[in-house]
Amino acid sequence: GAVVSQHPSWVICKSGTSVKIECRSLDFQATTMFWYRQFPKQSLMLMATSNEGSKATYEQGVEKDKFLINHASLTLSTLTVTSAHPEDSSFYICSARYGRAGEGKNIQYFGAGTRLSVL
Amino acid sequence: EDKVVQSPLSLVVHEGDTVTLNCSYEVTNFRSLLWYKQEKKAPTFLFMLTSSGIEKKSGRLSSILDKKELFSILNITATQTGDSAVYLCAVEHPGTYKYIFGTGTRLKVLA
Repeated sequence: GAVVSQHPSWVICKSGTSVKIECRSLDFQATTMFWYRQFPKQSLMLMATSNEGSKATYEQGVEKDKFLINHASLTLSTLTVTSAHPEDSSFYICSARYGRAGEGKNIQYFGAGTRLSVL
Repeated sequence: EDKVVQSPLSLVVHEGDTVTLNCSYEVTNFRSLLWYKQEKKAPTFLFMLTSSGIEKKSGRLSSILDKKELFSILNITATQTGDSAVYLCAVEHPGTYKYIFGTGTRLKVLA
């Protein structure tokens, strides 16, 4: 099956610092990747859609200057949480879209997530 | 507004029981519905359903879609403790590749 790697799995940082999270599709190319945030015992909340070679599309209420997304290649998207604050502490999960033209399939495969703790 | 609703929110059963998880949706221009299992970390893909009335099956898990009544069910037979997880239902948003997720059903299987 399609494999998505996310790194790091856990990061602790001081308030005011920036943190970068990487999401890689290991065995397929993904023109589209997604970034989600998940609060305890809640479902996935989509933050933004990351498109290779173009600007990310952010969901309403998500600050694009706070959560910088770069999708520089067909296998890598990064999320940078800038000037992190304790309220940014959360579980961040990425996914990569697997889909072939003409097959009508659109399946997202997920990374293992990154737990961010901001002190 | 498009939405996906799952029920029950949580469920506790004993090993060997059969469970049925529900997912109803209101999404214009429906394309597909997907089921995922989330244990401690990443959601793992279970099924993708696009056609009404065709059962998808994998071992003890099966799922079916009813496009007329706008719902899907996920069945797990002979449950095991390893089935304990949150089961997420998602519907593809037309034209954007985005998913609309339900709140999930938290299943706990007791030994």
